[in-house]
Amino acid sequence: QQPVQSPQAVILREGEDAVINCSSSKALYSVHWYRQKHGEAPVFLMILLKGGEQKGHEKISASFNEKKQQSSLYLTASQLSYSGTYFCGTGPQTGANNLFFGTGTRLTVIP
Amino acid sequence: KAGVTQTPRYLIKTRGQQVTLSCSPISGHRSVSWYQQTPGQGLQFLFEYFSETQRNKGNFPGRFSGRQFSNSRSEMNVSTLELGDSALYLCASSLGGARSYEQYFGPGTRLTVT
Repeated sequence: QQPVQSPQAVILREGEDAVINCSSSKALYSVHWYRQKHGEAPVFLMILLKGGEQKGHEKISASFNEKKQQSSLYLTASQLSYSGTYFCGTGPQTGANNLFFGTGTRLTVIP
Repeated sequence: KAGVTQTPRYLIKTRGQQVTLSCSPISGHRSVSWYQQTPGQGLQFLFEYFSETQRNKGNFPGRFSGRQFSNSRSEMNVSTLELGDSALYLCASSLGGARSYEQYFGPGTRLTVT
């Protein structure tokens, strides 16, 4: 049930863009994106729900393709603060908090 | 408002022992979820408690158990510790309603089993 993320790691220069992908072998109802900085707790970025609803509180965009069972996180004009490990988690339609997370994508932004 | 707190932050135990970890959610949050984080397996869901009842459970052996108290604080217990239980244990709290999606994670308890 664990989703697969790609790439596993990426290095960007400030201002460059990146895309992180998350795919599942099972039907997706919700996709949750979190970022974890080294030595810190994961922080919520965004949720995408089946049917098109999205909710997030950062200037980050994402897409959710229900047919392909995939989600992508788009990081544009990257900043140094974007560095960290990004996790996608797949979950139910409702608010139950039993998420299955991917193994993460380590993003490093350099000056 | 205060964030999610976990105690202790670090713990060293010996194989065969048992351990209890504690999590205090954000005030007003009724759902607490527990995750195990290891370098090889990433974040793995253990269980979720909502209003003192286990609402969901992951694929972990029965040695892993938990409970939630009336004030929403939660404890996780691991009995008969194995070397493979060494990990960062994270708890996350949320409001817990049907449209409550955002989880707030605590700093974690790093458990080392020797």
